[in-house]
Amino acid sequence: HLVESGGGLVKPGGSLTLSCAGSGFTFSSYSMNWVRQAPGKGLEWVSSISGDGIYIIYSDSVKGRFSISRDNAKNSLDLQMNSLRAEDTAVYYCAGFETISVRPVDYWGPGTLVTVSS
Amino acid sequence: EIVLTQSPATLSMSPGERATLSCRASQSVSGSLVWYQQKPGQAPRLLIYDASNRATGIPARFSGSGSGTDFTLTISSLEPGDFAVYYCQQRGNWPLTFGGGTKVEIK
Repeated sequence: HLVESGGGLVKPGGSLTLSCAGSGFTFSSYSMNWVRQAPGKGLEWVSSISGDGIYIIYSDSVKGRFSISRDNAKNSLDLQMNSLRAEDTAVYYCAGFETISVRPVDYWGPGTLVTVSS
Repeated sequence: EIVLTQSPATLSMSPGERATLSCRASQSVSGSLVWYQQKPGQAPRLLIYDASNRATGIPARFSGSGSGTDFTLTISSLEPGDFAVYYCQQRGNWPLTFGGGTKVEIK
């Protein structure tokens, strides 16, 4: 239902854009989120955007450096990542889930690995 | 920020046994508390939402309970495919937060 792309190796201070393509569900009716997982670690919420794209929120760890956006006409979600740091190294998951009126089904992509290293 | 503390960190169990996992919040969770299962190399899978409702397609051996600051995930009889890492997440307050996870391993 969701597939991420755009991960890879980038130097500290560099930029990368992740994309997520949705299918098989009503993309525009779901809030979309980025969640990351550093190697061998737990899950960390990164950013969320409402179904209509109006409400956007970031974790403090990425605020001012990352930018989330969506295009409902293309069923797509992006995460623009700037000023990357070693601690941003993680598998990044695109996920469709609600925080209000939570639904009995979430949608998650398989993840894309971002490695920040010189 | 609501801190979620999961215990134990590791649970060593045998197939057929009952597993009880705990998630404790640093303050009352006003919105939904959900549970995920994650297997190596896979994305998390939603098991429970709103603390006690099973997600679509989740078997009845998984159940959730609790409110306020104390939540529990119970697996009534472990099957081979249940050995994995389990995370709780609160969705009631920003930032959204996850617990550190409980690994259920084969004894």
